[in-house]
Amino acid sequence: SYELTQPPSVSVSPGQTARITCSADALPKQYAYWYQQKPGQAPVLVIYKDIERPSGIPERFSGSSSGTTVTLTISGVQAEDEADYYCQSADSSGTYVVFGGGTKLTVL
Amino acid sequence: QLQLQESGPGLVKPSETLSLTCTVSGGSISSSSYYWGWIRQPPGKGLEWIGSISYSVSTYYNPSLKSRVTISVDTSKNQFSLKLSSVTAADTAVYYCARQDYGDYPILYYFDYWGQGTLVTVSS
Repeated sequence: SYELTQPPSVSVSPGQTARITCSADALPKQYAYWYQQKPGQAPVLVIYKDIERPSGIPERFSGSSSGTTVTLTISGVQAEDEADYYCQSADSSGTYVVFGGGTKLTVL
Repeated sequence: QLQLQESGPGLVKPSETLSLTCTVSGGSISSSSYYWGWIRQPPGKGLEWIGSISYSVSTYYNPSLKSRVTISVDTSKNQFSLKLSSVTAADTAVYYCARQDYGDYPILYYFDYWGQGTLVTVSS
């Protein structure tokens, strides 16, 4: 089976920069997407096609890609950014959708 | 504004079939530009893709669930549905429906609109 690997947790102080990584073999060939999920709520798309930001998502959220790793960067982290973050992509066939295990972002 | 709403029983007995429906409002499920997907999340755990369907009934399923899953679409009601057979306690989860963008071939992309989710508990 195909897997996306994320760190279980990341901690930052308010105003600092948080970086969450996601790694998998097919990422050079398939787009990656990022979702934010707060307790009791549905996930919200924050980055699509590696680097694109949906309308309404703050500019402090950005995405990047390098080889088999994609990164979600949150600049100037705010308390409201504390949440679980999931990456998502597809395998080389493009029809098997996979989510990463999720990363809990803690704002200290 | 597109909205999706899951509905169905909140409690299912082991070995029975879980059935959920997602009603789409504010847009047409017959749009050729999107797939429609089901995702689940066991309590305290991560997200798991179940499967996706297009208006033309092209379907793709998670291989780990494929033998037990059927996703269908009813364009007349602007709904799509999930059936998961032979459920066990491991199928207890919040089930989400969502709209999914896609590219050529096809390649399944991201989920941009989600329902609020519905908790389904498998217990006797």
